[in-house]
Amino acid sequence: SAVISQKPSRDICQRGTSLTIQCQVDSQVTMMFWYRQQPGQSLTLIATANQGSEATYESGFVIDKFPISRPNLTFSTLTVSNMSPEDSSIYLCSVGVGEVYEQYFGPGTRLTVT
Amino acid sequence: GQNIDQPTEMTATEGAIVQINCTYQTSGFNGLFWYQQHAGEAPTFLSYNVLDGLEEKGRFSSFLSRSKGYSYLLLKELQMKDSASYLCAVRDGNYQLIWGAGTKLIIKP
Repeated sequence: SAVISQKPSRDICQRGTSLTIQCQVDSQVTMMFWYRQQPGQSLTLIATANQGSEATYESGFVIDKFPISRPNLTFSTLTVSNMSPEDSSIYLCSVGVGEVYEQYFGPGTRLTVT
Repeated sequence: GQNIDQPTEMTATEGAIVQINCTYQTSGFNGLFWYQQHAGEAPTFLSYNVLDGLEEKGRFSSFLSRSKGYSYLLLKELQMKDSASYLCAVRDGNYQLIWGAGTKLIIKP
């Protein structure tokens, strides 16, 4: 398994500003994943972050809006840039570990944009 | 396109048994996962199936039929703490995880 922490746990931000979310894992992992989850809905993958290379973004998500850093094998950040109320959501980071590469999730960051 | 279907919501009684179904259509298949997510919390891993058949883990069991594109999660001896959303996710041929919308399970005393 893996223990993942995220900061901040929640934030209320103004439109047009940016927020950087940090994700720390207790072990070295190759890939880290960033998800968004709207209330009552399932998980939407934003991007996959590999250490030492550019993140891979899913359709509908772009680097200018969601820049990601992955400076080492235990840490990653996701920035939500130029926020609008539509960005209000829960943002989760996860890693795949174990025999079947099951995913373990951080506790999430609840973002509200006003 | 790729698709996973689960019922939106189910209700069951404490002490009873409930079966949550998941059907999928994906490009290739490399395993199916079930996750539990309590309100306001992150998903936690419950089970994994890659071969046909039943996997049992305590009060929880998960079944897979690859030919039918079908899985179910069986919860026995329901407890109030089992009230949560249950997410079905399929790893496709490209090893991408495709997530279902989740089934909200409500347990009544």
